[in-house]
Order: sequence, then C-alpha cells, then structure tokens
Amino acid sequence: GAGVSQSPSNKVTEKGKDVELRCDPISGHTALYWYRQSLGQGLEFLIYFQGNSAPDKSGLPSDRFSAERTGGSVSTLTIQRTQQEDSAVYLCASSLLMLAENYGYTFGSGTRLTVV
Amino acid sequence: DQQVKQNSPSLSVQEGRISILNCDYTNSMFDYFLWYKKYPAEGPTFLISISSIKDKNEDGRFTVFLNKSAKHLSLHIVPSQPGDSAVYFCAASDTGNQFYFGTGTSLTVIP
Repeated sequence: GAGVSQSPSNKVTEKGKDVELRCDPISGHTALYWYRQSLGQGLEFLIYFQGNSAPDKSGLPSDRFSAERTGGSVSTLTIQRTQQEDSAVYLCASSLLMLAENYGYTFGSGTRLTVV
Repeated sequence: DQQVKQNSPSLSVQEGRISILNCDYTNSMFDYFLWYKKYPAEGPTFLISISSIKDKNEDGRFTVFLNKSAKHLSLHIVPSQPGDSAVYFCAASDTGNQFYFGTGTSLTVIP
C-alpha cells in the first residue's frame, strides 16, 4: 500500500482481556517499529524488527506485551490481560533502513486503545 | 530516563511571525536528528532532518539548527501559518535506526 496501515483505529476493551493490534508496513520497507503515546507523554519505543534479525524488544514494558512480524511484512502487537495503564495510542512505523537517518520513519495513524 | 527533552509543552505565535521550537538531548553519541509534525488523529509525519556534520539545514519555511556543544537543536518556522498548528516532536538517534522522541510541543498559530 501507499502508507502504513494500522487496524483497528480504535479499540475499547475490558480490563483483563487480550487485544491484538495490526500493522501493515509500506511494501519493501525492511524495518518496522512499534511506539506508543500515553496521554501527555512522548513517543515511547516498544519494539523494532529489522529483516530476519532477532527483534529488539528492549522497550516492551512487561511480559504481557509481545509482537511478531510474519514473512517480513505484517506485524501484530499483542497485549495480554490488559490494564488501564495500557490505554494509549499505539503507533507503527516502517522505514527503508538505509534512509531512516535522512527521512525518518513513516508512521501509521495509530490504534487508540482504551482499557475500561 | 528521557534522553530527548522538549521543555515547552505549548507555544502560541501570531501568523506571519517566527515560531521557534526547542529540543535538548543528553546522549553525546546522537548523530541524527529529526523533527516530526503531528495533527490530531493522525500519525506523525517527517518534517526535516539534520546530521551531526551540519549545524543548519533549511527546507522552505523550516530550518533546523544544531548546537552539538550545547546538545541543543531548534526548529524555526518563518513565516508561521495557521496550518502549521500541530504538535511537533524532535527525535534523535546514534545509529539512524532507533530514534528517541521528545514529549512534543503543541504549536498554535493565531490568525
């Protein structure tokens, strides 16, 4: 596609339920990132995929969070047993690795997750 | 620990005047710096970048200045337009891969 696509755009879930957030990166982009933005906060790095390398999971806040990227393309971020503090906008971004320092990432519009 | 800081959460400027958004960082290894613009309900969009070999990069109405000794960068928008009203994030990286973002500055340009 022309841009990074994320679904759903909004998700309201009950505390304790599991949620899955999906990201379709730009075709051909080898790098994929997940960030989240909580209310009043900056963009918090969660996880980074690059090609077939092991992902950099250093930003995942707890073991309730996991992500996978299938076939080097689509990525799914899963949050198990959601808590109210998980409420945030979850942003996915992709880039051509060699251009990231010049042009940054291309972000999707995000998934707004609300845990009630 | 916030490695990139934007200490002004908001800024209001009259249309036609200059907007100056500031950003400070703590990691002296950062080599690449970006500014992003974000409208409500949209993802951030890339605006302008600068690498540490430069101290200024200009693109139309947007200029980014880098002061490596002070670990400070700024974004100048001149003349400011109402359509520039958005949240601006600065970001920095030492590898060009993972970028660290500031908390953003909300700019309002008053017509």
